[in-house]
Amino acid sequence: DGGITQSPKYLFRKEGQNVTLSCEQNLNHDAMYWYRQDPGQGLRLIYYSQIVNDFQKGDIAEGYSVSREKKESFPLTVTSAQKNPTAFYLCASSIGVVQETQYFGPGTRLLVL
Amino acid sequence: KNQVEQSPQSLIILEGKNCTLQCNYTVSPFSNLRWYKQDTGRGPVSLTIMTFSENTKSNGRYTATLDADTKQSSLHITASQLSDSASYICVVTGGSYIPTFGRGTSLIVHP
Repeated sequence: DGGITQSPKYLFRKEGQNVTLSCEQNLNHDAMYWYRQDPGQGLRLIYYSQIVNDFQKGDIAEGYSVSREKKESFPLTVTSAQKNPTAFYLCASSIGVVQETQYFGPGTRLLVL
Repeated sequence: KNQVEQSPQSLIILEGKNCTLQCNYTVSPFSNLRWYKQDTGRGPVSLTIMTFSENTKSNGRYTATLDADTKQSSLHITASQLSDSASYICVVTGGSYIPTFGRGTSLIVHP
């Protein structure tokens, strides 16, 4: 099956701990994105990558880091510097950045203990 | 600042009825506008995409309209079904090609 997958579905983090959210796609898309969704708010862009080994900060990159070593993978690390990490995290991919529909994964819900 | 405003915030309708959701935006320059459907706890799924030259596009019972002059779009749902209960998100992309998301309209369809 072609698609975009995220794991885990639920993730718990202790204060001061870094956690990494996985995002994999087998759609052969060049561009990948990470968004954060909070209740009653629109999706906010954390990071995006147009091509392997390249990525740019979005609107709320502070406290997050990413890597793009492979075309199909774009993991997101939520660091201890992110003071309010509890949210629903969505990964997406598209053929390119320009005028292309984004395909979203099922999301990961991160909860801070 | 690029903004996308959606109304109403929430809507409750009876199964079989029609409804229209609104989207106003201030994104400039304009590249395209998309409507997404997001079921609770799931990722959004694209319904339609429209560029500047398009003023209407349909996808089954979903019909989107775009007025680029007034910077308004609407999503009309015909003969609603229980499975239409979801959040509908308007997304506008401008010259930077980074999309701006609306907060969504939460639609509940009652039997």
